[in-house]
Amino acid sequence: ETGVTQTPRHLVMGMTNKKSLKCEQHLGHNAMYWYKQSAKKPLELMFVYNFKEQTENNSVPSRFSPECPNSSHLFLHLHTLQPEDSALYLCASSPGQEQYFGPGTRLTVT
Amino acid sequence: GIQVEQSPPDLILQEGANSTLRCNFSDSVNNLQWFHQNPWGQLINLFYIPSGTKQNGRLSATTVATERYSLLYISSSQTTDSGVYFCAVDLIAGQAGTALIFGKGTTLSVSS
Repeated sequence: ETGVTQTPRHLVMGMTNKKSLKCEQHLGHNAMYWYKQSAKKPLELMFVYNFKEQTENNSVPSRFSPECPNSSHLFLHLHTLQPEDSALYLCASSPGQEQYFGPGTRLTVT
Repeated sequence: GIQVEQSPPDLILQEGANSTLRCNFSDSVNNLQWFHQNPWGQLINLFYIPSGTKQNGRLSATTVATERYSLLYISSSQTTDSGVYFCAVDLIAGQAGTALIFGKGTTLSVSS
């Protein structure tokens, strides 16, 4: 238990659906991250927020839209996804350099 | 960009055996973390070790920053040690909000 929570833990959605992933931490961390882990590939960064400001977008398609309303919450809004977007989506937070990960949302796009 | 290479890619052990996992990186780093990913996908922090040696129970890690490698030692392995071990680095000192670059991981299977 790292103190970073993610909901839902599992999600199945069709390509025309709109859904959102939620990440929450009450650890007082100022930086939050979305990572994607696809089968047979290394974890890759999607977005970074520092003090609610997006500081990095790793060339992510616009069908993924992040939102960080405050330092404790991070969302990933999903729309018109493709089957190849099926993956484990991991949220992390950090007070400095050491990052702490949530349990992930396993997403299946049908 | 920086390359992070882990070896071996797969490791099969009998319970009670010791093992060493290696992480090589191609550039100077300011952060290095070791994680264990359990079968449910949770990444568990093992060590934050940009340099030096740390120990936590049966696990220990050493990073030699000048030679650009880190080692994770697992002693007296148990079946619960099974999973994927990742090394991850970042390049920027003293700053939150920098991305971790992950290696491809070492998949460890421990049998009883």
